Amino acid sequence: TQLLEQSPQFLSIQEGENLTVYCNSSSVFSSLQWYRQEPGEGPVLLVTVVTGGEVKKLKRLTFQFGDARKDSSLHITAAQPGDTGLYLCAGGREYGNKLVFGAGTILRVKS
Amino acid sequence: DTEVTQTPKHLVMGMTNKKSLKCEQHMGHRAMYWYKQKAKKPPELMFVYSYEKLSINESVPSRFSPECPNSSLLNLHLHALQPEDSALYLCASSQLHLAVVTDTQYFGPGTRLTVL
Repeated sequence: TQLLEQSPQFLSIQEGENLTVYCNSSSVFSSLQWYRQEPGEGPVLLVTVVTGGEVKKLKRLTFQFGDARKDSSLHITAAQPGDTGLYLCAGGREYGNKLVFGAGTILRVKS
Repeated sequence: DTEVTQTPKHLVMGMTNKKSLKCEQHMGHRAMYWYKQKAKKPPELMFVYSYEKLSINESVPSRFSPECPNSSLLNLHLHALQPEDSALYLCASSQLHLAVVTDTQYFGPGTRLTVL
């Protein structure tokens, strides 16, 4: 069974602080997707990373895929209250359509 | 356009009712999914349709019955549900192109189901 361990589970920070969320596995994934979800809404795709060592930036968000494609991180610079939500990482298998989800990180940014 | 739509947004039903959830996408995706999600937890896969055929059933109770009338539509028929089935039900779709190594899934906004 492929597992994705996501940490931290909860994060409460002040506006302007930086944070990093981690997803780690002992298994190799062909891709890693990050989603953000607000209460009562569906997950919204932030990014998909597919190449080992890949770094993608989306405004204040930086996503990294580990060289061995077993881990990924999401770094948010100068967090804002609008960043509040549930962040989910999900690993994809090669030519498969079944995602392995991390447990999620609940982020609260206080103004 | 990466939009997946779901109706209704909210649904309240009794344990003896029969209802249906609907999902639609016009991205030409050939894989569609149903997920169940409890509060503050990740989505749990229920069913996958690939090219309009059921390819994955994650041992879901028969009170949930999926249907894929065509490549753009996905339904979930509900009958004799239990209160513990109350959750956010999410639909997703993906391209399912065999030449593509990764198959990004796009989610709909969900249906909030309450079973009384």
